[in-house]
Amino acid sequence: KAGVTQTPRYLIKTRGQQVTLSCSPISGHRSVSWYQQTPGQGLQFLFEYFSETQRNKGNFPGRFSGRQFSNSRSEMNVSTLELGDSALYLCASSLMGEETQYFGPGTRLLVL
Amino acid sequence: GEDVEQSLFLSVREGDSSVINCTYTDSSSTYLYWYKQEPGAGLQLLTYIFSNMDMKQDQRLTVLLNKKDKHLSLRIADTQTGDSAIYFCAEWGPGRRALTFGSGTRLQVQP
Repeated sequence: KAGVTQTPRYLIKTRGQQVTLSCSPISGHRSVSWYQQTPGQGLQFLFEYFSETQRNKGNFPGRFSGRQFSNSRSEMNVSTLELGDSALYLCASSLMGEETQYFGPGTRLLVL
Repeated sequence: GEDVEQSLFLSVREGDSSVINCTYTDSSSTYLYWYKQEPGAGLQLLTYIFSNMDMKQDQRLTVLLNKKDKHLSLRIADTQTGDSAIYFCAEWGPGRRALTFGSGTRLQVQP
């Protein structure tokens, strides 16, 4: 079974721009969660989607949003990028949400 | 709130055992996980333990859970240079419905 895939792997953007990251979960997994990893704050939960609905959200500003499609693929969007948004964005999938989460390789975003 | 703490660094010699420790605060945690992260990579699931267990063994890996003290440890037997990485402890909080991670322990294996 293929693992979690994320595209693109690397992105460079400038302040004020917006960005969309994509995540394809493991086949059969319906829950997709997003995490941000930075050297200063570590790994922090962004949000979780299940059956095309946001089921849970972490403590991030409204500039961070996401969605999930009927095939369980998910996208996250960050608008009006700030320098502090530079991070590794990790996507994780699980069957229904309560089970073990499997992570993708991440998208490394650099904001200049 | 929920908090997970780990020591930052551990150095061992190849062939020795490594023990990485973690403490957590959420007593309602149902599952506790160990993930491994190599440079430039995502998180690789190593093992997990359900909160009503006190030990789990999986090949070279042994997880010990002391629920009373909220202490979790990961022992890697016969540590190899390929085990050099950052190891993250994480707890699943059913109320929060998300993983809370420790800051990670960097394991350095010296030949």
